[in-house]
Amino acid sequence: RKEVEQDPGPFNVPEGATVAFNCTYSNSASQSFFWYRQDCRKEPKLLMSVYSSGNEDGRFTAQLNRASQYISLLIRDSKLSDSATYLCVALSLNNFNKFYFGSGTKLNVKP
Amino acid sequence: EAQVTQNPRYLITVTGKKLTVTCSQNMNHEYMSWYRQDPGLGLRQIYYSMNVEVTDKGDVPEGYKVSRKEKRNFPLILESPSPNQTSLYFCASRGGLAGVETQYFGPGTRLLVL
Repeated sequence: RKEVEQDPGPFNVPEGATVAFNCTYSNSASQSFFWYRQDCRKEPKLLMSVYSSGNEDGRFTAQLNRASQYISLLIRDSKLSDSATYLCVALSLNNFNKFYFGSGTKLNVKP
Repeated sequence: EAQVTQNPRYLITVTGKKLTVTCSQNMNHEYMSWYRQDPGLGLRQIYYSMNVEVTDKGDVPEGYKVSRKEKRNFPLILESPSPNQTSLYFCASRGGLAGVETQYFGPGTRLLVL
């Protein structure tokens, strides 16, 4: 079983739509969580960290549910420029603070 | 500007011909990693280094070597490349407060082994 699992999508949404992604993690020792954005075949870049209380950055909201071991990312008012693959990432205190990456969820925002 | 650089960005080679992909970071980070990314499999860690002269295997180390003689550089070596090593490779360094480190990725190296 993968450490971090995501629905690969693609999620095809019109501009202005609200879209949500979830991911689940299997390692209860995972301590910190992140969403990374990856444009087509480019390097992943940090989008936002995920805190237990939930956090918001403009149109993006991330939430963590430790009891159910899942993380979510909500994008409001989708823009064409939001089209990318979103990687869910867990940082585990085991194994020398290793990052575990999900395979990514692809988002296509259409005009 | 804080960055991770990799060279070459694109490489076509033949089976068995040794190659090295260089990686350098200017953020004084101690921890560096190499990943490969393949469709449907996501990012998989090949090797990592926690500091100079300290390296260890990741999840998919077979067929790869690394070295860490200086803090800023972390080259990836393929002694005898094979077609199953055709992939997109990313070098990364990480820094920040413990537990909330951020990984910074290089631009990637696309490798095709014929």
